[in-house]
Parts: sequence; C-alpha cells; structure tokens
Amino acid sequence: NAGVTQTPKFQVLKTGQSMTLQCAQDMNHNSMYWYRQDPGMGLRLIYYSASEGTTDKGEVPNGYNVSRLNKREFSLRLESAAPSQTSVYFCASSPSGNTIYFGEGSWLTVV
Amino acid sequence: AQSVTQPDIHITVSEGASLELRCNYSYGATPYLFWYVQSPGQGLQLLLKYFSGDTLVQGIKGFEAEFKRSQSSFNLRKPSVHWSDAAEYFCAAVNYGGSQGNLIFGKGTKLSVKP
Repeated sequence: NAGVTQTPKFQVLKTGQSMTLQCAQDMNHNSMYWYRQDPGMGLRLIYYSASEGTTDKGEVPNGYNVSRLNKREFSLRLESAAPSQTSVYFCASSPSGNTIYFGEGSWLTVV
Repeated sequence: AQSVTQPDIHITVSEGASLELRCNYSYGATPYLFWYVQSPGQGLQLLLKYFSGDTLVQGIKGFEAEFKRSQSSFNLRKPSVHWSDAAEYFCAAVNYGGSQGNLIFGKGTKLSVKP
C-alpha cells in the first residue's frame, strides 16, 4: 500500500533550469495538493486540485505550474528555477471532506 | 483571514515529563483540526484529528488533544514523553467550504527531549 508517492526525492538544479516533480496516489482520492516547507514557515500551499480536471492556486503559486494528469497523478513544474525555490516539497491527497495524507517529500536545491 | 497559530517555536522537556503543545485557530466557524508530527528528513504523519463530537481526541503514540471552542484552541498533550517523541509538531486546520478546501498549517513547534 504505497499511499502518496513523490519523485524525485532529491534534486539539485541550476538557476534557470526547469524540472517536474511527480506525484501519484493509489487511494482513489479526489483532491491533491502541493505544499512547500521552509524553516520557520510551516507548510504553505502552492496549488491544489479539488478533483480531476481542476486546479487552483494556493498561497504561494508564483513560479510554479501544475497538471492534474488523471485522478492518480498531480505534477508540479518549475519552468525557470530560482534559488528562492530551494525548499522541501510535499504532495498530498485527500478524499473530499476528510483527512489529508502526505508523501515523504522532495528536497530541491537551486544553486 | 483564516489562520493557525502555534505560539511556541521550540520546547524542551525531560524524558518522562508531561507535554502540552499549544495551538490556536482563527476561523469563522469551527474548522476540522489536525495534529501532524514530522521527524527529521521525513514526511508528515497524522497524530490525530477532530471533526466534531467528543472534544477530547485520542491519537497514536499516546497523544491526545482537547478542543476548546471558547478559547479557539486545540492543544496537544502527552502524559509522559519518550526520547523518540523528539520531532517537529504541526497543528493544522481546514474549512471545507464549498468544493474548495485546503489545509492551513501553523509554523510548527520543535520538541527536544532531555535524557
């Protein structure tokens, strides 16, 4: 029972490079989320998808794009990475109106 | 604006001592409330949640939390702390208004445990 799976777990990028963080859940959840975690800031919502085919901006969407590819998969893309995007990224999912379950995180460093 | 506040950034307790981590929320109506724990280099694990009903909620690892509407609080407690409880703890709230719901986190409380 994998739950929420994120790849890659670690990544180093140069400023200006692009990359996509992949996320998949096997719990048949409707809603999926991308958060970033920075020291002393807690977790902040980047984007979320309430259901397949819909996406909405969260608190800190600038510099990111997302795709809800199907019910299982929700990817996060950095088109032109900046050092300010160095962070730990968490994907999460939930059945509508219920508990949110997190992946194990992706550590991204932009140099 | 909706918010979750954890007033204590860092708490140190002795092993075997009791623990209380504070959490206050600011929402128009009572939200759903959660406590998560994060060990270094790990993801977030759900400790417990409150949706409605009994205001004292039992969770995993011997933790409990009490919802107090009058104080807009949802404090986490443990009677006797173990060294393995050293981690960062996050309180979170969500208001499932309409079809858009998202979890708002406090900034976390780091717990250190002295032998």
